Amino acid sequence: RKEVEQDPGPFNVPEGATVAFNCTYSNSASQSFFWYRQDCRKEPKLLMSVYSSGNEDGRFTAQLNRASQYISLLIRDSKLSDSATYLCVDSRRDDKIIFGKGTRLHILP
Amino acid sequence: DTAVSQTPKYLVTQMGNDKSIKCEQNLGHDTMYWYKQDSKKFLKIMFSYNNKELIINETVPNRFSPKSPDKAHLNLHINSLELGDSAVYFCASAGTGSWGMNTEAFFGQGTRLTVV
Repeated sequence: RKEVEQDPGPFNVPEGATVAFNCTYSNSASQSFFWYRQDCRKEPKLLMSVYSSGNEDGRFTAQLNRASQYISLLIRDSKLSDSATYLCVDSRRDDKIIFGKGTRLHILP
Repeated sequence: DTAVSQTPKYLVTQMGNDKSIKCEQNLGHDTMYWYKQDSKKFLKIMFSYNNKELIINETVPNRFSPKSPDKAHLNLHINSLELGDSAVYFCASAGTGSWGMNTEAFFGQGTRLTVV
């Protein structure tokens, strides 16, 4: 099983819709997770941390399910500017920060 | 002020050459990384340094040699460049938060290396 797995997409979603993607991780001892966003030909940037109790930041909600070892990202009322690749990240205690391969999202006008 | 800066942004070179990429962070972080993002866009960890010490070496060919003169700098030297080395190389840094866990990583803008 890969360390961090994501559906590569692309997800083609009309503007205004809600979209969700999941990511699974293999290390049951992992405790710290993030979602990053990467625009074409740019560096990855932090979108949000993922807390055990779930957390929300505006239109974005992140959830962590430890029992099933997955994290999720929900985007409500999607905007054209949300088009990007979303990277799931497992930040481990052994100083390894492992990225998933990313999920491509295209918001359609 | 740029938090993580790497130079050069673009690097085009011939096979067999030796080249270096420099990275500096002004965030006071203890841990720095090199990642390679290939044409398939997979961001793969290469090296991790914590306080100038090598922590992770992810089976990278020994033509790649990282060097950390101090904890704010992590440079990457590549010997005998090959066509397959063409990729975008990202430097990143992260701090240490509660319980010894890494805080989020901040990335440099990337170095697009093309070997011809």
